[in-house]
Amino acid sequence: RKEVEQDPGPFNVPEGATVAFNCTYSNSASQSFFWYRQDCRKEPKLLMSVYSSGNEDGRFTAQLNRASQYISLLIRDSKLSDSATYLCVVNMNNNDMRFGAGTRLTVKP
Amino acid sequence: SQTIHQWPATLVQPVGSPLSLECTVEGTSNPNLYWYRQAAGRGLQLLFYSVGIGQISSEVPQNLSASRPQDRQFILSSKKLLLSDSGFYLCAWRSGGELANTFGSGTRLTVV
Repeated sequence: RKEVEQDPGPFNVPEGATVAFNCTYSNSASQSFFWYRQDCRKEPKLLMSVYSSGNEDGRFTAQLNRASQYISLLIRDSKLSDSATYLCVVNMNNNDMRFGAGTRLTVKP
Repeated sequence: SQTIHQWPATLVQPVGSPLSLECTVEGTSNPNLYWYRQAAGRGLQLLFYSVGIGQISSEVPQNLSASRPQDRQFILSSKKLLLSDSGFYLCAWRSGGELANTFGSGTRLTVV
């Protein structure tokens, strides 16, 4: 079983749609969680951290369920500029960040 | 502000040739430094990390090595490249108080 698993997609949605990505992780001792965004042929960039209570940043909402070892990212009112690959990241300890393979999103006009 | 520089952006090397990729960080001291590789369609794989000058931890056995000759310099090397070394190599840093890594712009290596 992979340490961090994501649905690879691709997700093709129209502008304005709401889309949700899921991620599961295998190590129950994982300490911190993140979503990164990676544009084609570019480096990953931190989108948001994921907190146990859930957190929101504009159109983006992240949720964490430690009991189920499950993380989600919800994007509301999708924009063309949201097209990218979204990476689920789990920090096992201070120097061990594990990345999912990513979920590809294409937002179409 | 802190910045991370990585070069070159792209590189095409023949099998058996040596490799040296350099990464430098500005605006911070004593950062944790990381080398990752991303193969086509796959997740990032941590190759090496360093918590200080001369301190290198290797995550996977491979054809590569890393060195940290200065506090803000991290170098990825190989004596003889293999075809399987092709990929997108990313340097990242993190300061002690942060939880998430910040990445450099990456080097796209193609071994032919």
